[in-house]
Amino acid sequence: GQQLNQSPQSMFIQEGEDVSMNCTSSSIFNTWLWYKQDPGEGPVLLIALYKAGELTSNGRLTAQFGITRKDSFLNISASIPSDVGIYFCAGPGSNSGYALNFGKGTSLLVTP
Amino acid sequence: DAEITQSPRHKITETGRQVTLACHQTWNHNNMFWYRQDLGHGLRLIHYSYGVQDTNKGEVSDGYSVSRSNTEDLPLTLESAASSQTSVYFCASRGQENSPLHFGNGTRLTVT
Repeated sequence: GQQLNQSPQSMFIQEGEDVSMNCTSSSIFNTWLWYKQDPGEGPVLLIALYKAGELTSNGRLTAQFGITRKDSFLNISASIPSDVGIYFCAGPGSNSGYALNFGKGTSLLVTP
Repeated sequence: DAEITQSPRHKITETGRQVTLACHQTWNHNNMFWYRQDLGHGLRLIHYSYGVQDTNKGEVSDGYSVSRSNTEDLPLTLESAASSQTSVYFCASRGQENSPLHFGNGTRLTVT
């Protein structure tokens, strides 16, 4: 399947700091998605991107669909303790139609 | 409200036993998926189904099977559990392309 490289693997920050994480693909995507997983729960969709160059915000979260269509980033501004969790990028699976291919995740820890 | 539920939440079984994990969704989605989540690997696709009587292999399907006898349920069976199948398993469903992928809260399986 398509390789999704997500970085960093983990981040340990203080409350109030801004966070940036990114994802690159070995092939072109027509959709980029960002999910968050709270401890003990399933991932939940944060932001969906459908067009190259698109910049979309959801509260303190901002995500961009790279111009090359092979990358995307997610920024979180003014982090708070409830931002703790694992963030995944995802894109369409190459051979599995409606299924999604996920990055390995960025684990975020926020200290008060 | 529509939802997707997995059972059990936790399961401990012995090597060689057959185990079935349940997934039930009330979204009336045709598309259902099973993923496993492991440290360092993120979410990997096991099997998926696009409708009743349809099943397909994902990236890590060896040792697993699914059946789809109705729209609501996609049970995942481990034919002969192995220690390498100790993991957290997530079921998910979605409607049409570009609609959100909805996840259950996971089943933590330990094979001893």
